[in-house]
Amino acid sequence: EVQLVESGGGLVQPGGSLRLSCAASGFTFSSYSMNWVRQAPGKGLEWVSYISSSSSTIYYADSVKGRFTISRDNAKNSLYLQMNSLRDEDTAVYYCARIQVLPRGGFDYWGQGTLVTVSS
Amino acid sequence: DIQMTQSPSSLSASVGDRVTITCRASQSISSYLNWYQQKPGKAPKLLIYAASSLQSGVPSRFSGSGSGTDFTLTISSLQPEDFATYYCQQSYSTPEVTFGPGTKVDIK
Repeated sequence: EVQLVESGGGLVQPGGSLRLSCAASGFTFSSYSMNWVRQAPGKGLEWVSYISSSSSTIYYADSVKGRFTISRDNAKNSLYLQMNSLRDEDTAVYYCARIQVLPRGGFDYWGQGTLVTVSS
Repeated sequence: DIQMTQSPSSLSASVGDRVTITCRASQSISSYLNWYQQKPGKAPKLLIYAASSLQSGVPSRFSGSGSGTDFTLTISSLQPEDFATYYCQQSYSTPEVTFGPGTKVDIK
């Protein structure tokens, strides 16, 4: 069974940092590209970042570029999101999501999400 | 950037109703359009990919159609477990995908 389990969320002050993790199981993690998607309270879904299976290709949404860093460790079946210079507007539930293995596929598995609250 | 819009933003329907949700892209995205269902406090679930392909395990009452800029998600006979928010997503510009604003389906 495919499972994605996020951790690392919490309360942080503006300007602070946080590192999210996503532990993958039930599939060959090293074969799949992965994403982070967030959802602010009561709002819609916002794509945050993408990393290819080998980490050779990385993309960020403009809203987080220069502040967030995505990475992965295929030996540990884990995905990460380092978030620096956090702002109030980064408050959201953060999901890791797997991309289907087909050209321009959808996100076929999602974690349960981890809540990040940026507040003083 | 490709912008996505959905209509309506919300709708009220009864069990057994046929429900249609529309999604429009700001430019042609071919058939690279996916639909998700999200229930309160839960992660989104992929329902339809590539505009009209049913994701494994998803009931056949869900169907998708369209290409280019205009797409629809249809629920042929609404069931109690279908009350949720539905999002479209364009994957034409993968990996920089964008989601629609969502359509909330609630009980009439």
